[in-house]
Amino acid sequence: NAGVTQTPKFRILKIGQSMTLQCTQDMNHNYMYWYRQDPGMGLKLIYYSVGAGITDKGEVPNGYNVSRSTTEDFPLRLELAAPSQTSVYFCASTDSGRAENIQYFGAGTRLSVL
Amino acid sequence: QKEVEQDPGPLSVPEGAIVSLNCTYSNSAFQYFMWYRQYSRKGPELLMYTYSSGNKEDGRFTAQVDKSSKYISLFIRDSQPSDSATYLCAMSDGSSASKIIFGSGTRLSIRP
Repeated sequence: NAGVTQTPKFRILKIGQSMTLQCTQDMNHNYMYWYRQDPGMGLKLIYYSVGAGITDKGEVPNGYNVSRSTTEDFPLRLELAAPSQTSVYFCASTDSGRAENIQYFGAGTRLSVL
Repeated sequence: QKEVEQDPGPLSVPEGAIVSLNCTYSNSAFQYFMWYRQYSRKGPELLMYTYSSGNKEDGRFTAQVDKSSKYISLFIRDSQPSDSATYLCAMSDGSSASKIIFGSGTRLSIRP
């Protein structure tokens, strides 16, 4: 039972480079989310999706883009990486039919921009 | 003012102690209250959730919600070294794309 899988686990980028963080879930969840976690700052929502073809901005979307072409996959794109994007990125998903909104998280991607 | 406030700690207690972790919030529309546990270099995992006010117990863990005071707590009895982790409170109003607002997390260390 894989749950939410994120790749890569670690990445170092140079300023101005681009990359895509991959996220896939095998629970047939409609809702998927991308968060970033900075030390002592908790989880900040970057983007979310309520189903294939539908995405929306969260609290901190600047510098990121997403797409949702399938129920399973929700990649996060970083264009023109900046040091401020150094963080740990988590993908999560939930079953939209559950009122309690329990989210299931991947293991995270640690990104450093130097 | 942040929507959810949580003392970041770190909190260090001896094995076997009772631990109390707390959060306050400002949005009276929150109905669902959750505690996530996050081990070092891992993703958060749901520990407990509570709907509206009241208590919920699961083994050594008890979650309390006081909506009148906008205050939630997590109690850990007979704490074990394996409970050492960061604990994040989280809450939702049950609408708006199932979005959850997280606290900043409290880092807990249980000394053997």
